[in-house]
Amino acid sequence: TQLLEQSPQFLSIQEGENLTVYCNSSSVFSSLQWYRQEPGEGPVLLVTVVTGGEVKKLKRLTFQFGDARKDSSLHITAAQPGDTGLYLCAGTTYNTDKLIFGTGTRLQVFP
Amino acid sequence: ETGVTQSPTHLIKTRGQQVTLRCSSQSGHNTVSWYQQALGQGPQFIFQYYREEENGRGNFPPRFSGLQFPNYSSELNVNALELDDSALYLCASSLAVGQGPPLQETQYFGPGTRLLVL
Repeated sequence: TQLLEQSPQFLSIQEGENLTVYCNSSSVFSSLQWYRQEPGEGPVLLVTVVTGGEVKKLKRLTFQFGDARKDSSLHITAAQPGDTGLYLCAGTTYNTDKLIFGTGTRLQVFP
Repeated sequence: ETGVTQSPTHLIKTRGQQVTLRCSSQSGHNTVSWYQQALGQGPQFIFQYYREEENGRGNFPPRFSGLQFPNYSSELNVNALELDDSALYLCASSLAVGQGPPLQETQYFGPGTRLLVL
């Protein structure tokens, strides 16, 4: 059973468009992280959120942790080809500190 | 660059064979976690080693085993390979702190080893 479901699974957009990726669960998470993974490389941590309702901004990327700590979103403004990659959410629950990864969203940004 | 290295980068094996994958952790880190990432999916936790002892295991059969050495590098061994074992195997190193159960800090991933089982 996959605890973290991401949507959409695939996203193909033009440079300059905005997009939102969602990460949903029926479980409560003590913390949630977002990673980006490029072909041939391991995931690279973008952000960690730990407080329900928390919003973090990283340049054109905005991350939000749901009030109930069961969901999160990643919004990218004015996407660029360099944003292309696999975006993964991952969380830890109160039962384990081991990372549980989401199903992934593959983003392609065309010039 | 995370300072985490893995070898080999690619590997082809046949069903029934055994394989050993290696991971060198980032300097100062004492914990290594291993993940299996099938094509098009998110990584799945295999197990974690902290100070040379297994510290948690995911839903993988016993033919997946590991070791951590005094320098905190680690190996993942898979016996009796099956076709479904074909995947990218990732290791991640981190620093665990605390006097009681170790509290994990941020994990840094290596580039992975891509295993193909024919």
